[in-house]
Amino acid sequence: DVKVTQSSRYLVKRTGEKVFLECVQDMDHENMFWYRQDPGLGLRLIYFSYDVKMKEKGDIPEGYSVSREKKERFSLILESASTNQTSMYLCASLYRGREAFFGQGTRLTVV
Amino acid sequence: GQQLNQSPQSMFIQEGEDVSMNCTSSSIFNTWLWYKQDPGEGPVLLIALYKAGELTSNGRLTAQFGITRKDSFLNISASIPSDVGIYFCAGPPQGAQKLVFGQGTRLTINP
Repeated sequence: DVKVTQSSRYLVKRTGEKVFLECVQDMDHENMFWYRQDPGLGLRLIYFSYDVKMKEKGDIPEGYSVSREKKERFSLILESASTNQTSMYLCASLYRGREAFFGQGTRLTVV
Repeated sequence: GQQLNQSPQSMFIQEGEDVSMNCTSSSIFNTWLWYKQDPGEGPVLLIALYKAGELTSNGRLTAQFGITRKDSFLNISASIPSDVGIYFCAGPPQGAQKLVFGQGTRLTINP
């Protein structure tokens, strides 16, 4: 079974903190994604990566950055957390445009 | 960003009833994916479709890849309480390396 693992299920951070969300997949997938999910807004793409050290902005990249130093790991960074970044964050990996698998999600609360 | 049109947005049914939902797009898709998301969890892949006209089953779930390659359908037969959740369609548009999602169908079942 493909596994996509997010480092934390729940996080509480203070406004202004730098926050790291980690995602690891074990199936050598090329493409990885970070989404946030908010009630009524569906899944919104923050950033994605199609190879090591490659990244592309999604629909809502402001306030976020990403890092992909190794193929299996894709990190989402909140440079200075704000309360409007309180959300459910979902990581996914995609194999050759065929199947995508999600992590279990990280519920981030910024206070 | 581009989104798929998924309907209905919500369904309230009695246990034992059959359920149908669909997704449409203005673009051609080579792959259609259907997911289920339980509260507080990441989406789980239910069915993947790769060919126009393809009909695929997974237990009581059946999904079809539309002939035009611009739509897909998911049916659930004889619903049970554990079918409750949000169902999403998704796929990578032709030539794209990222996924687009439907807005989700929230399924509620009255026992």
